[in-house]
Amino acid sequence: SQQGEEDPQALSIQEGENATMNCSYKTSINNLQWYRQNSGRGLVHLILIRSNEREKHSGRLRVTLDTSKKSSSLLITASRAADTASYFCAPIIQGAQKLVFGQGTRLTINP
Amino acid sequence: KAGVTQTPRYLIKTRGQQVTLSCSPISGHRSVSWYQQTPGQGLQFLFEYFSETQRNKGNFPGRFSGRQFSNSRSEMNVSTLELGDSALYLCASSLAPGAGANVLTFGAGSRLTVL
Repeated sequence: SQQGEEDPQALSIQEGENATMNCSYKTSINNLQWYRQNSGRGLVHLILIRSNEREKHSGRLRVTLDTSKKSSSLLITASRAADTASYFCAPIIQGAQKLVFGQGTRLTINP
Repeated sequence: KAGVTQTPRYLIKTRGQQVTLSCSPISGHRSVSWYQQTPGQGLQFLFEYFSETQRNKGNFPGRFSGRQFSNSRSEMNVSTLELGDSALYLCASSLAPGAGANVLTFGAGSRLTVL
């Protein structure tokens, strides 16, 4: 299956803390993307990491990729209330015709 | 530049009716994908259009159909609505078809409620 599985399903932390979400997948990939979805809205692309990259940063986001373990993690540092959202990973296999999303991790940042 | 525009944002229909949803992609994007999102099933791929041709289709019944116009705008239609069709329908555009290294830009969605 092309689908990634996010873990945990839900995460609740205090504002200012770091949040870590994980994604596991089953097949070899070309790259992996992370998206964020605020409640009832569309998804927003956060970051794309290629299979030959191990780590990538974008502002307060840090994504790691371990192809040997077929897993990725998304770290949000110094969380803010605005980070409250669902986060989805999308592993992209070679020749994939579509992005397939899992159930996501629902992150809640408490003030 | 303008983002992906979906209309209408909210609509209520009754069982048996049909509905048409519209999506205008980002200027220059020629690929449009549609997803259905429900609490139970999550995000499910409906279909993708590129250059007015359906390139890929998800596992949905024939009641779900779509099309793309020469200006890349896309519509999806659901006929004979069922209660289970209540969902957030998301449209996403990209420069080229397929997943590959494409990044999808999503619209805000059309929230359909079937009574």
